[in-house]
Amino acid sequence: QSVLTQPPSVSGAPGQRVTISCTGSSSNIGADYDVHWYQQLPGTAPKLLIYGNSNRPSGVPDRFSGSKSGTSASLAITGLQAEDEADYYCQSFDSSLSGSVFGGGTKLTVL
Amino acid sequence: QLQLQESGPGLVKPSETLSLTCTVSGGSISSSSSYWGWIRQPPGKGLEWIASIYYSGSTSYYPSLKSRVTISLDTSKNQFSLKLSSVTAADTAVYYCARRTTRPWYFDLWGRGTVVTVSS
Repeated sequence: QSVLTQPPSVSGAPGQRVTISCTGSSSNIGADYDVHWYQQLPGTAPKLLIYGNSNRPSGVPDRFSGSKSGTSASLAITGLQAEDEADYYCQSFDSSLSGSVFGGGTKLTVL
Repeated sequence: QLQLQESGPGLVKPSETLSLTCTVSGGSISSSSSYWGWIRQPPGKGLEWIASIYYSGSTSYYPSLKSRVTISLDTSKNQFSLKLSSVTAADTAVYYCARRTTRPWYFDLWGRGTVVTVSS
């Protein structure tokens, strides 16, 4: 059981929009710690996708966007493409654990 | 361009100590803007942060692993290391080393990962 809660799976057809939620608590997201998102393609290391709730590193398409409100955050992917099929993880900092925490991951399937 | 590479035994016996090293190339490990950390991923499961270390030597550990984990820096070799003692099959995972920024504390660079299996 991860400290941050994500849906195990989401799916969408090419071109559609999907969102992935990440729910925390008052000791992490709700304590004003930023949320970050990672994309993990099969057999590879995670790659930073969104940092500081809504910022994209250089090279990440603007089809990917992030937001945060209260004790939750969301990753939105628009114009879904086959290459977006991957596992997505949210991450934040937890004051009670004094360290980084991850969500359990969400598998995105492009139909 | 900064790169990280994990190295260490791929097979460790139960009750023994797992030792991994991360070699940083293309930049200095002694950067005041960076933390260095270890994250693992058991087969078919999610990511779990293990430990982090600052260039000053300040460390932080995931509470449930703290009694078994040591993270250290070797600035002369531009490396940092992980030791996990008294391993069991539950410690079987892909182990990643990564660079973590100062606040807001995200992992912006990752190694490719190394598979560690705990088995007799």
